[in-house]
Amino acid sequence: AQKITQTQPGMFVQEKEAVTLDCTYDTSDPSYGLFWYKQPSSGEMIFLIYQGSYDQQNATEGRYSLNFQKARKSANLVISASQLGDSAMYFCAMREALSGNTPLVFGKGTRLSVIA
Amino acid sequence: DVKVTQSSRYLVKRTGEKVFLECVQDMDHENMFWYRQDPGLGLRLIYFSYDVKMKEKGDIPEGYSVSREKKERFSLILESASTNQTSMYLCASGELRGRGEQFFGPGTRLTVL
Repeated sequence: AQKITQTQPGMFVQEKEAVTLDCTYDTSDPSYGLFWYKQPSSGEMIFLIYQGSYDQQNATEGRYSLNFQKARKSANLVISASQLGDSAMYFCAMREALSGNTPLVFGKGTRLSVIA
Repeated sequence: DVKVTQSSRYLVKRTGEKVFLECVQDMDHENMFWYRQDPGLGLRLIYFSYDVKMKEKGDIPEGYSVSREKKERFSLILESASTNQTSMYLCASGELRGRGEQFFGPGTRLTVL
């Protein structure tokens, strides 16, 4: 079974509008972390935002916020005031067992296109 | 800033060749990872290492091996390259403790003819 599911292969958004990229996860571990990465056409993966399973508040980093709904096991990324430079692939990832050597597990990604 | 570098951005090899992909990080991270990325499949973990000379298989280790002789360097080896190994290869490093954030290199796009 997939641990990270991103159901939107592609999304379009108008410049300056907000957009939500969906991510659901599957784990029975009470301790986990959730990550979002951006991959522009250049190929490099850029870390955007992190949410720990015990964090009480939703994470925010500038124009990025994470809508964390623990009971629904969802961790959607919200990008406010979209810019042309936001056009990229976006990956959701999870790390189970916050201590130890467990690697990140990634979803298949969502391609976001920002339209002028 | 964390720096993860990979030896090549683009590489073209022939079927049956031995291929070495090198990755170096400068942040003294314990963990290092190799992924391959294919359209529609996301990132899939090939191998990772949590210490010098230690390695763990990921989800798709078949056809690959790795080497970690020094903490800062993690090599991915294709013993006999095949066309189905044409892909984007991404290296990452991360701390053992803390939230487990991974820092990625620029990637190597490998084409096997």
